[in-house]
Amino acid sequence: ETGVTQTPRHLVMGMTNKKSLKCEQHLGHNAMYWYKQSAKKPLELMFVYNFKEQTENNSVPSRFSPECPNSSHLFLHLHTLQPEDSALYLCASSQVSLAGDNEQFFGPGTRLTVL
Amino acid sequence: AQKITQTQPGMFVQEKEAVTLDCTYDTSDPSYGLFWYKQPSSGEMIFLIYQGSYDQQNATEGRYSLNFQKARKSANLVISASQLGDSAMYFCAMRVDTGRRALTFGSGTRLQVQP
Repeated sequence: ETGVTQTPRHLVMGMTNKKSLKCEQHLGHNAMYWYKQSAKKPLELMFVYNFKEQTENNSVPSRFSPECPNSSHLFLHLHTLQPEDSALYLCASSQVSLAGDNEQFFGPGTRLTVL
Repeated sequence: AQKITQTQPGMFVQEKEAVTLDCTYDTSDPSYGLFWYKQPSSGEMIFLIYQGSYDQQNATEGRYSLNFQKARKSANLVISASQLGDSAMYFCAMRVDTGRRALTFGSGTRLQVQP
């Protein structure tokens, strides 16, 4: 595997279900991100992890719970979602250093539909 | 706070012609980076080109060039010799080099290349 991978690519779930999205980066990066892309809206940052530590939570509802067990893996645990949470969820990674950081590399996304 | 504005929801271009996609930005931070990403229908965000705020020359990457006008706070993407495979959504994004490290995205421009 190369780059950033995400599974599953498509997910349909009911409002009472619990599911998890998985992201894995094979680039040796130290920062990982979750973005949400809703129809007709700009990409919205959800969470940022640097060296496995959460450094940013962009006022995301608690029904979204991120987990970063190591610098290569990032999960987004979902529970009690609402239909308006249906969106494309994109994971990204980048290499951050004191000198600055480079471009973010994105995964293919998980298309989530909440019924 | 940072803001990215893309005023063209959709653009058409004939194959082999050049096209310019507009992007203006707003930030009070003197050090920042500007990015362009391409998102085909498959959903993956593909990094195209980067321009740093202190870079003296406009960035170029193959058929992509960034027309950076700092005083006007614009960072337009120019695609030369358009190809059918260039049809996609294009997003302009910005990251400031202090504080928040994640990208702020514009609303995107849908480019359709016609044969």
